[in-house]
Amino acid sequence: DTEVTQTPKHLVMGMTNKKSLKCEQHMGHRAMYWYKQKAKKPPELMFVYSYEKLSINESVPSRFSPECPNSSLLNLHLHALQPEDSALYLCASSKDSQETQYFGPGTRLLVL
Amino acid sequence: AQTVTQSQPEMSVQEAETVTLSCTYDTSESDYYLFWYKQPPSRQMILVIRQEAYKQQNATENRFSVNFQKAAKSFSLKISDSQLGDAAMYFCAYRWGGSQGNLIFGKGTKLSVKP
Repeated sequence: DTEVTQTPKHLVMGMTNKKSLKCEQHMGHRAMYWYKQKAKKPPELMFVYSYEKLSINESVPSRFSPECPNSSLLNLHLHALQPEDSALYLCASSKDSQETQYFGPGTRLLVL
Repeated sequence: AQTVTQSQPEMSVQEAETVTLSCTYDTSESDYYLFWYKQPPSRQMILVIRQEAYKQQNATENRFSVNFQKAAKSFSLKISDSQLGDAAMYFCAYRWGGSQGNLIFGKGTKLSVKP
């Protein structure tokens, strides 16, 4: 089973809203990732959590705040986003940070 | 810096025929992994195939196989007996063996399958 789930599938928010994206896996993976993907572009890495600790932050603006409450769950808290933040947000997980990554279906975010 | 190049923005294949997608990469590392991911219109990135650089044998997964030319830094994907469900964006990706999960993606090749 290589299932990574993400909720919600779609999200529309205003620039003053606070929302959260959720990612879950039950494969016992200890590394989890957030990617941002703009239309017709490859995914861009945002954050990496390894054993529930943030190990990589790719210079992401502070309006994006990741959280890893436990080894199965990864959240991305959103606050005061800009329209240019509209994108597909993909979550992935792997056994550890040096193993193959498996992706979730993504959350399509629109910021108005 | 490590880079991945996919020189074919779009490709088209007739159903049941064979198509090859190209990928080249640049690295000075000897320990690395290469991947092909498929992203259909449904958006989910699906792992197609993985190749470890230290393995000389080309990876295969059913109708999907790679031609891994380490010296030439080339990693092409061959899809045999193409099916309508193969239509998708295909991304080639590289990861250094010592990295903390940084996948470096190419820009992708959009594959269309004609019935």
